[in-house]
Amino acid sequence: QITLKESGPALVKPTQTLTLTCTFSGFSLTTSGVAVGWIRQPPGKALEWLALVYWDDEKRYNPSLQSRLTITKDTSKNQVVLTMTNMDPADTATYYCARRRYGDFPFDYWGQGSLITVSS
Amino acid sequence: IQLTQSPSSLSASVGDRVTITCRASQGFSSYLAWYQQVPGKAPKVLIYAASILQSGVPSRFSGSGSGTDFTLTISSLQPEDFATYYCQQFYSYPYTFGQGTKLDIK
Repeated sequence: QITLKESGPALVKPTQTLTLTCTFSGFSLTTSGVAVGWIRQPPGKALEWLALVYWDDEKRYNPSLQSRLTITKDTSKNQVVLTMTNMDPADTATYYCARRRYGDFPFDYWGQGSLITVSS
Repeated sequence: IQLTQSPSSLSASVGDRVTITCRASQGFSSYLAWYQQVPGKAPKVLIYAASILQSGVPSRFSGSGSGTDFTLTISSLQPEDFATYYCQQFYSYPYTFGQGTKLDIK
């Protein structure tokens, strides 16, 4: 059974750095073709893809946020970590992690989401 | 690649046939998925590679298209289908989603 779960602070102050952890089970990020990504959704708005890390440590970022994002993986812990610097109230959103496989495969398994509010 | 869904919202009745369109700003083949999202829940994949039904998804959902125009069709709406639907492309980075189509009960 494949599961993913996001964890992180519910509240972040403006200018702070957000660290989100995705802990997964049921698959391995050492398996060829597997990737874990982050997607966010502001309240009442559409989904936005943020970043992705592949089994071979290739990393991809959304250019609109690339200067603020870092994605890393820890295969021994089955975790993927996303850091986002210089948080702003506009970054208030539910943050999801999700798995996909290389090719035309979608994000097939998603975490439940973690609502992050940016406020002083 | 910008994805534009139409309509943005849609009212329909149980049993209706519904079609949602996703238009891409540049053409590609197959690297498109459709998701369903109910309020407070994570998106759930329905269709990938433009037309392949994800395992476990009812056969009333179907997808088609290539190039710049893709469609999601629900052949006979069920009560549990009232939700928001998103398309997403995997053809090039950054991956992008459509703005969503909210389907509600007429």
